[in-house]
Amino acid sequence: GAGVSQTPSNKVTEKGKYVELRCDPISGHTALYWYRQSLGQGPEFLIYFQGTGAADDSGLPNDRFFAVRPEGSVSTLKIQRTERGDSAVYLCASSAGETSTDTQYFGPGTRLTVL
Amino acid sequence: GNSVTQMEGPVTLSEEAFLTINCTYTATGYPSLFWYVQYPGEGLQLLLKATKADDKGSNKGFEATYRKETTSFHLEKGSVQVSDSAVYFCALSGTGGFKTIFGAGTRLFVKA
Repeated sequence: GAGVSQTPSNKVTEKGKYVELRCDPISGHTALYWYRQSLGQGPEFLIYFQGTGAADDSGLPNDRFFAVRPEGSVSTLKIQRTERGDSAVYLCASSAGETSTDTQYFGPGTRLTVL
Repeated sequence: GNSVTQMEGPVTLSEEAFLTINCTYTATGYPSLFWYVQYPGEGLQLLLKATKADDKGSNKGFEATYRKETTSFHLEKGSVQVSDSAVYFCALSGTGGFKTIFGAGTRLFVKA
C-alpha cells in the first residue's frame, strides 16, 4: 500500500513569508508525528497527534509554528514569519499504535529553504 | 534531560567486515531503544528495537542489545555489504510524553 507522502518535496521561500507543509499518513494510522531535521543532525520532535488532537506539542520551538489535523488524517504544519534558521528537512511519520514505542513510518520529507 | 549519543562518522569498511556503531543514552525511567536507517534517496525506516533491559533487537543481520547497566545499545553486524551503506540513527522513546529522541546519526560507507 501507499506509504506516508509529503508535499511539496522542496520549498524555497523568503524570510518573513508564511509556509504550509502537508503530510498524508498511511491510511488508518491514527498517530501522526512531525519532526525537523537540520543538516548533519538527527530528527527533532515537534508535535504528535492522536486522531484530530495534538496530544503533545512540547517540541514546537515557538508560536510561529502551528500544526493541524482537522479530520484525523492529513496534517498541515504551518510556519509564520519564516526565519533563515527554519531551513531544514521537515519529516512526518505515522503509526497505527498509540504510543511512541510503536513503529513509526516516515515520509520522504519536505526540504524547506528560507532565503 | 534525555539524550542519545552515537559515534561520529563516517565509518568506512570493506565488504564482509564486522560493524559496530556505538550508542549510549541518558534517560529517566525505562526507555525503549531503536535503530533507524536512512538509505541514500530514501526515507527513514525502523531497523530494529528493544523495549526492555537485556532484550536483543535484530533485523537484516543487524543486532543490538539493550544494556541498562552501561546505558548502551550498540549496533552490530557480522559481515557488512555494500548495500548497507546508509546513515544509522540511534533513538529512544517512552520516557513520558510522545517524544522520540534521536542521535546525530552515523554515516556508513561499505567498499566492494
